[in-house]
Amino acid sequence: DAGVIQSPRHEVTEMGQEVTLRCKPISGHNSLFWYRQTMMRGLELLIYFNNNVPIDDSGMPEDRFSAKMPNASFSTLKIQPSEPRDSAVYFCASSPLRGERQPQHFGDGTRLSIL
Amino acid sequence: AQSVAQPEDQVNVAEGNPLTVKCTYSVSGNPYLFWYVQYPNRGLQFLLKYITGDNLVKGSYGFEAEFNKSQTSFHLKKPSALVSDSALYFCAVRVGPNDYKLSFGAGTTVTVRA
Repeated sequence: DAGVIQSPRHEVTEMGQEVTLRCKPISGHNSLFWYRQTMMRGLELLIYFNNNVPIDDSGMPEDRFSAKMPNASFSTLKIQPSEPRDSAVYFCASSPLRGERQPQHFGDGTRLSIL
Repeated sequence: AQSVAQPEDQVNVAEGNPLTVKCTYSVSGNPYLFWYVQYPNRGLQFLLKYITGDNLVKGSYGFEAEFNKSQTSFHLKKPSALVSDSALYFCAVRVGPNDYKLSFGAGTTVTVRA
């Protein structure tokens, strides 16, 4: 069965450009999470959704970051304009609703480099 | 706030020897604890969890973890390590019983030498 699918796997772009990261959660999972991983700060939760509704976006670093979940099978994380300090690996994860006892399932991430 | 700590940045063991990766937690109420493993250029993979019940939890790839309430610890163990166990390991705690957020530790890099 397919896991969490993220695209692209790698993205290299120049600062100031808009970046859109995509995620397809596991079918039937109603909770979706966006994380950022860096050497300096480790793994940080940016935002999470339940049933397509954003529940907690307190981890979103600033207004340049936005996330949407238009339906149960798709989510995007957008950075506009991008800056070099946004370079990181971005992970999407999903879990079943009422999944407080269930693990989150992670995609393989998007490695983002902003030049 | 709920949190976990992984006191060791790195753990080095010889193949065939026991492997232990340490984790301590700080929570109010009953903890929901998880271990994940991350291989290079991959996402985190779930290994095992403690929710309630037996203090010894068995998981994937021969790993197990022991929940110790008095010491607020949840150490990951494997009786006989393999070179293929070399990876980055994360301990995590559910932020609250009705909250789906996880708080992750900083991670421990495990190197198993042949």
